[in-house]
Amino acid sequence: GENVEQHPSTLSVQEGDSAVIKCTYSDSASNYFPWYKQELGKRPQLIIDIRSNVGEKKDQRIAVTLNKTAKHFSLHITETQPEDSAVYFCAASLNTDKLIFGTGTRLQVFP
Amino acid sequence: GAVVSQHPSRVICKSGTSVKIECRSLDFQATTMFWYRQFPKQSLMLMATSNEGSKATYEQGVEKDKFLINHASLTLSTLTVTSAHPEDSSFYICSARWGNSYNEQFFGPGTRLTVL
Repeated sequence: GENVEQHPSTLSVQEGDSAVIKCTYSDSASNYFPWYKQELGKRPQLIIDIRSNVGEKKDQRIAVTLNKTAKHFSLHITETQPEDSAVYFCAASLNTDKLIFGTGTRLQVFP
Repeated sequence: GAVVSQHPSRVICKSGTSVKIECRSLDFQATTMFWYRQFPKQSLMLMATSNEGSKATYEQGVEKDKFLINHASLTLSTLTVTSAHPEDSSFYICSARWGNSYNEQFFGPGTRLTVL
């Protein structure tokens, strides 16, 4: 089955800097790669997703890149703000079935 | 649109009792619902997938007789934790999806279960 690894587990950046979180997956059949932001005790919120037919997707300060050959994908957040502080999870799945989540990255943005 | 609710938001029960958690799609018909468990400071782990009117499909290692899932309508799925034990204490989150497997899963707010 699918296995998703995520790094780093914690990430501290200064406000305005960029943050990058990386994930690798094992199942080459996976074709859907969402990223979620989760604040303490709250539901995961989808912030961006990418499907295997594209290599990059951007939405304002957030971008995701996908390298199907290497089976890894990354989340890039530019111009970070304190409100970006949260736990971020990547996930991989075949279509939107059976999301397999990474282990999470705790992002702290210091003012 | 695409709002998913869960009830209760938190529940405390005694060891050995059963607890039922409801997951509702408020403004769309959820043909598929998913149940996840999240232990403190850990990731979400898929427990089971249910399609309306069908038996749930459980992930490996999840006891189907302990975690009873019923997806009786297109807007409601329930998870019953039977004979709960302290190790079942966790954050249980559902998600719902309409239509086919190209569509996004929408997550509920989660239920915090504490078993004493």
